[in-house]
Amino acid sequence: QKEVEQNSGPLSVPEGAIASLNCTYSDRVSQSFFWYRQYSGKSPELIMSIYSNGDKEDGRFTAQLNKASQYVSLLIRDSQPSDSATYLCAVSTGANSKLTFGKGITLSVRP
Amino acid sequence: KAGVTQTPRYLIKTRGQQVTLSCSPISGHRSVSWYQQTPGQGLQFLFEYFSETQRNKGNFPGRFSGRQFSNSRSEMNVSTLELGDSALYLCASSLPLAGGPDTQYFGPGTRLTVL
Repeated sequence: QKEVEQNSGPLSVPEGAIASLNCTYSDRVSQSFFWYRQYSGKSPELIMSIYSNGDKEDGRFTAQLNKASQYVSLLIRDSQPSDSATYLCAVSTGANSKLTFGKGITLSVRP
Repeated sequence: KAGVTQTPRYLIKTRGQQVTLSCSPISGHRSVSWYQQTPGQGLQFLFEYFSETQRNKGNFPGRFSGRQFSNSRSEMNVSTLELGDSALYLCASSLPLAGGPDTQYFGPGTRLTVL
């Protein structure tokens, strides 16, 4: 059973802090990795994708991928109250469009 | 460019009935995937359609079915509804790129309540 695990939450950080969200996956052939943000009552919104080992930065967001350790993370710098949401890690093998999701972690940014 | 649209946004049905949900992908996208989201199980893959063919299927009973039309629009049908089918049903569309990573964009979802 291919699994995606996200560290247990919820996670609470003060405004301006760095939020670190972690995800591990079990299928070694996984090739594509995504972070989605989901506000309460809304659908998931893509915020980052990463395909190669290393870091990928986009504004205040940095995704990190380590395929050897089967680990992908998302760092949110200068966290804002508007970042308060559930963050979903998703993985695909790249050979098809099936995404396997983690259960998500709820982030709360305290003003 | 318009995003993924889903209709209806909300549905209330009773056990034993059937329901059809509709999804229109982003213009130019040819792949449509369906997911079920519940508080207990999270987001789970139902199936994917590409060029009017089911290309992938998740671990759901045969009561869940779908199809895709030549304009890439997709419908999902659930027959003989059960209480446990109450969920947010999400549709996601993607190009996809041949041999490349496939980024999926989600629609707003259909909230189904089974009484």
